[in-house]
Amino acid sequence: DTAVSQTPKYLVTQMGNDKSIKCEQNLGHDTMYWYKQDSKKFLKIMFSYNNKELIINETVPNRFSPKSPDKAHLNLHINSLELGDSAVYFCASSQFERASYGYTFGSGTRLTVV
Amino acid sequence: GDSVTQMEGPVTLSEEAFLTINCTYTATGYPSLFWYVQYPGEGLQLLLKATKADDKGSNKGFEATYRKETTSFHLEKGSVQVSDSAVYFCALSANFGNEKLTFGTGTRLTIIP
Repeated sequence: DTAVSQTPKYLVTQMGNDKSIKCEQNLGHDTMYWYKQDSKKFLKIMFSYNNKELIINETVPNRFSPKSPDKAHLNLHINSLELGDSAVYFCASSQFERASYGYTFGSGTRLTVV
Repeated sequence: GDSVTQMEGPVTLSEEAFLTINCTYTATGYPSLFWYVQYPGEGLQLLLKATKADDKGSNKGFEATYRKETTSFHLEKGSVQVSDSAVYFCALSANFGNEKLTFGTGTRLTIIP
């Protein structure tokens, strides 16, 4: 069974549209994250939720809104998509206060805005 | 703030060559250090980690030693294979309850037969 699963794997959409990416983990972790990987492979954290509560919110446009209905799910909704939003978005999970254990990443969602 | 600096890529080596990818960090306190690997078209996988000074992380023939005196965590492998071709990321976590991972810029490694 996949530990951290993201859907969809690929997403092509037009500028101005609204889209969502879903993430689910079955590891029993209580902390989940969204990272953005740009075209140069640089990874930057966007959000982190611990047990459904937002704990990290980096400088991200408010067009991006995470939602965590329970600790196993963290979805990312993006309004009014722009060309610069094209990237690979990775979901990850970990156990809070066990940072030394590392994260488990999903396989990524490649978003292309045209 | 916390930061990770990796050697610039891309790196191209012949099969069975010795590999070193340099990584240095800046952090408050005693972070945990990680190497992640990203194979083409896939997500990141944890390769190895070290949680305190002088710890050595190892996996799949790769090794890295946590050097507090030089704030480094260089990745090494004695004999690389074509299947090691991937992007390698050094990362740290500050262990203060703020659980985010701070990544380096990644180093693309290509092994030629």
